Amino acid sequence: EVQLLESGGGLVQPGGSLRLSCAASGFTFSSYAMSWVRQAPGKGLEWVSGVSGSGATTYYADSVKGRLTISRDNSKNTVYMQMNNLGAEDTAVYYCAKDNRGNYYTAFDYWGQGTLVTVSS
Amino acid sequence: EIVMTQSPVTLSVSPGERATLSCRASQSVSSNLAWYQQKPGQAPRLLIYGTSTRATGIPARFSGSGSGTEFTLTISSLQSEDFAVYYCQQYNNWPPLTFGGGTKVEIK
Repeated sequence: EVQLLESGGGLVQPGGSLRLSCAASGFTFSSYAMSWVRQAPGKGLEWVSGVSGSGATTYYADSVKGRLTISRDNSKNTVYMQMNNLGAEDTAVYYCAKDNRGNYYTAFDYWGQGTLVTVSS
Repeated sequence: EIVMTQSPVTLSVSPGERATLSCRASQSVSSNLAWYQQKPGQAPRLLIYGTSTRATGIPARFSGSGSGTEFTLTISSLQSEDFAVYYCQQYNNWPPLTFGGGTKVEIK
């Protein structure tokens, strides 16, 4: 059974940093691209970042470029999101999501339960 | 960036009736279009990918159609568990992958 379990969310002050983790199980982790998708309170879904199966290639939404860094450790079946210089606009539930097809960026067939990041003083 | 526009924002439907949700892309996304269902407090669930292929375990009452810039999700006979928010997502031109703003299907 595929499982994705996020952790690391919480309350952080503006300008602060946070590191999210997503532990995966139930599939060949290194064969799949992984993404982070966020959802601000009461709002829709926003793709934030993706990483290839090897970790060699990463992509970002313009809204987070230069502040958020995605990475993965295939020996630990875990994907990370380092979040720096956070602002109120980053307040959201952050989901990690698995690509449906493999080492591609297509649809997301499995999602974690989400971790809430709140940026506030 | 490809902008995805969903309509209507809210759809009021009685149980057992048919629901038709629309999604429009600002430029062609070929058939690279997915649909998700999200219930309050839950993560999104993949319903449809490749415009019309149902994901594993998705009931046959959910169907997708369209191509290019115009897409439709149809729920043939709404069940109580289908009242939720539905999102479309394109994966033809990226980054970024982009989602529509969502359609809330509510009980009439």
